[in-house]
Amino acid sequence: EIVLTQSPATLSLSPGERATLSCRASQSVSSSLAWYQQKPGQAPRLLIYDASNRATGIPARFSGSGSGTGFTLTISSLEPEDFAVYYCQQRRVWPLSFGGGTKVEIK
Amino acid sequence: QVQLVESGGGVVQPGGSLRLSCAASGFTFSSYGMHWVRQAPGKGLEWVSFIQYDGSNHYYADSMKGRFTISRDNSKNTVYLQMNSLRPEDTAVYYCAKDAGYCSGGSCYGYYQMAVWGRGTTVTVSS
Repeated sequence: EIVLTQSPATLSLSPGERATLSCRASQSVSSSLAWYQQKPGQAPRLLIYDASNRATGIPARFSGSGSGTGFTLTISSLEPEDFAVYYCQQRRVWPLSFGGGTKVEIK
Repeated sequence: QVQLVESGGGVVQPGGSLRLSCAASGFTFSSYGMHWVRQAPGKGLEWVSFIQYDGSNHYYADSMKGRFTISRDNSKNTVYLQMNSLRPEDTAVYYCAKDAGYCSGGSCYGYYQMAVWGRGTTVTVSS
């Protein structure tokens, strides 16, 4: 099973700042990685698929990069609605797996 | 628009069974794989199971293999999760999700990632 490790666990930033979230895989997943956003009491929402492709309706301030074992989700300028928990997920190997999440909170 | 509505959650004793349902609308259900993902209270996301668009293949998380069974009825636009031998650690919100996979220009993208999610149904395993 592939283990995904997200860092940091919590990111404290102000609106307008840049957020950089990391996801490391225990073995190569090529570009088979997605990012999701989850707000309290809501279902997750797909942001990025296949490492760098924005899902339908996702603003351009969200971008994904990386391949192999190291991936980054960048939010170029945080909007108030972006404060949430973010998860990465690999689809390279069964069983599929999620990272533990990064909480982006208001500083 | 795409809509997924889960049902069937509830309170069950350890060792008991439940069957969850997920009714889909707004897309061609028989063309897409479907997932179940769960989230224990205050915890992160845990992938549970996937079924291919035609039901020909299915996959499970190791901790659920042999206890959970995923199935689908394309005539009813519904995917199911039969859960047996339930344990307290199975307590969670269970989400169904539509696979994000698509093919275009001879290449395929997004497979085995979760494009759209339902609101979830809560399962509590407790005596």
